[in-house]
Amino acid sequence: DTGVSQNPRHKITKRGQNVTFRCDPISEHNRLYWYRQTLGQGPEFLTYFQNEAQLEKSRLLSDRFSAERPKGSFSTLEIQRTEQGDSAMYLCASSLKIYRDNNEQYFGPGTRLTVT
Amino acid sequence: AQSVTQPDIHITVSEGASLELRCNYSYGATPYLFWYVQSPGQGLQLLLKYFSGDTLVQGIKGFEAEFKRSQSSFNLRKPSVHWSDAAEYFCAVASADRGSTLGRLYFGRGTQLTVWP
Repeated sequence: DTGVSQNPRHKITKRGQNVTFRCDPISEHNRLYWYRQTLGQGPEFLTYFQNEAQLEKSRLLSDRFSAERPKGSFSTLEIQRTEQGDSAMYLCASSLKIYRDNNEQYFGPGTRLTVT
Repeated sequence: AQSVTQPDIHITVSEGASLELRCNYSYGATPYLFWYVQSPGQGLQLLLKYFSGDTLVQGIKGFEAEFKRSQSSFNLRKPSVHWSDAAEYFCAVASADRGSTLGRLYFGRGTQLTVWP
């Protein structure tokens, strides 16, 4: 069990550029979550997938943000036309849901985005 | 709506002293409660969780937390703090959704713990 991994760990980009982050969940986990954490705040939910289906999106997820999980394994989060307000730590988590029982979420190390 | 309040932004304790971090939640149904710890450059690590049953739950690294429904609280405690416990601590509550026991997490803003030698 290698845990949740995220790449890249750090990304610096200029305003207006597009960026894409990748998350690889724990291998048997069928749920995958994205959160955003700004300085001095707790993580805030963005979206989650069960297998390849995106089941919920937060109002925080503007139309510049898109997330995919094409084969129900890894996921990507893309931000188009980045703004300085997008600077944050983007966290990925995964969990195993069996029938009605969903288990606790395990988090990756995050991708820190800085928009200059 | 679900929410979590951590009233202490920053706490400083001496090594060997006891610790209590406060957490209050707002949730209409039976809450699923968690404490996570985040060290610099690290992801969130689960310390402990409360789903049901015994209201005093034990976690990793010598931490425990007590669920008090009447006070809507889930405070984290440790009898003797070590310098390596210095980190940021987050309390979270999970919603139930789509017929599932656990859904998205709602986090508090965190409590930064500093440990003096």
